Amino acid sequence: RKEVEQDPGPFNVPEGATVAFNCTYSNSASQSFFWYRQDCRKEPKLLMSVYSSGNEDGRFTAQLNRASQYISLLIRDSKLSDSATYLCVVNMNSGYSTLTFGKGTMLLVSP
Amino acid sequence: EAGVTQFPSHSVIEKGQTVTLRCDPISGHDNLYWYRRVMGKEIKFLLHFVKESKQDESGMPNNRFLAERTGGTYSTLKVQPAELEDSGVYFCASSQDEADSYNEQFFGPGTRLTVL
Repeated sequence: RKEVEQDPGPFNVPEGATVAFNCTYSNSASQSFFWYRQDCRKEPKLLMSVYSSGNEDGRFTAQLNRASQYISLLIRDSKLSDSATYLCVVNMNSGYSTLTFGKGTMLLVSP
Repeated sequence: EAGVTQFPSHSVIEKGQTVTLRCDPISGHDNLYWYRRVMGKEIKFLLHFVKESKQDESGMPNNRFLAERTGGTYSTLKVQPAELEDSGVYFCASSQDEADSYNEQFFGPGTRLTVL
């Protein structure tokens, strides 16, 4: 079983659509959780940290379910500029921020 | 504020040659990380420096890889001798406060290494 597993994608959606990404992680002792965004041939950039209480940032909502070891990202009212690969990232270590990445899910938003 | 920089952006070498990648973290960031993405796979952790000390090098694939961070500023990652399977994108990241597990890591643009 992969340490961090994501929907393989790609997701093709029209502008304005709502899209949800799912992610599961294997280590129940994982400490912190993130969604990173990576544009083609660019570096990953932090999109959102994901907290147990869930959090929202504009059109983006992240949820964490520790019991199910499951993380989600919801994007509402998709924009063309949201087209990118979304990486589910987990810090599985206590004390150190060594990140474990999922393979990523590509999103393509079309006009 | 300048971000994480990496040099070179691309490197094409032949099997058996040596390559040295450089990373300059954000000024003041004590934590420096190396990651690698090989084609078709996820980004994987290689190692972590705190200042000039190696905190965790559990992700280093083998002894052909040598990372250094003399003086606790920039870091180099040397591959000697390079093999075909070393091809990929090598990312460097830095962060400020290790005490917070939610501390953001800022990534550099990566070095794309091709071994022929």
